[in-house]
Amino acid sequence: EVQLLESGGGLVQPGGSLRLSCAASGFMFGSYAMGWVRQAPGQGLQWVSVISGTGGSTHYADSVKGRSTISRDNSKNTLYLQMNSLRAEDTAVYYCAKDLTGDCLGVFDFWGQGTKVTVSS
Amino acid sequence: DIVMTQSPDSLAVSLGERATINCKSSQSVLYSSINKNFLAWYQQKPGQPPKLLIYWASTRESGVPDRFSGRGSGTDFTLTISSLQAEDVAVYYCQQYYDTPYTFGGGTKVEIK
Repeated sequence: EVQLLESGGGLVQPGGSLRLSCAASGFMFGSYAMGWVRQAPGQGLQWVSVISGTGGSTHYADSVKGRSTISRDNSKNTLYLQMNSLRAEDTAVYYCAKDLTGDCLGVFDFWGQGTKVTVSS
Repeated sequence: DIVMTQSPDSLAVSLGERATINCKSSQSVLYSSINKNFLAWYQQKPGQPPKLLIYWASTRESGVPDRFSGRGSGTDFTLTISSLQAEDVAVYYCQQYYDTPYTFGGGTKVEIK
């Protein structure tokens, strides 16, 4: 059974940093691209970032580019999102999601339950 | 960026009746060399993460009931629930994966009339 368990969310002050983690199990982690999608309170879905199965290819939404870094450790079956210079508009539930393929196709067939990030003073 | 526009924002349908959701992209998401539309549909129930329903515009994900169907090509797409069930109450999102940034529609809330 595919499982994705996010952690690392919390309350952070504007300008602060957080590292989100996503522990994966139940599939060949290194064979699939992985992504982050966020949802602000009461709002729709916004794609954040994606990384290929090997980690050799990454893409970011403009809203986080230059402030965030997606990475993965295939030996630990774990996905990360390092977020810096956080702003109030980064407040959201962040979902980790598995891509259908090893390349960055962008179709997400399994999602975690999400971790909540609140940026506030 | 490709803008995805869904309509209506919400709809109320009687149990057993048909529900149709529209999705329009600001540019074509058809990759003509492989004749595939890079368009997916997701369902999100309250308090839950999204669930993939359909990709390639019309390919149903494994385990998704066949009352859910997707169609369309280029810039205009529809998701149809042929016979609405109580468990289908949710918000539905379309998403293009033709190019990054991947973008979602604003969502359509489906309720029981």
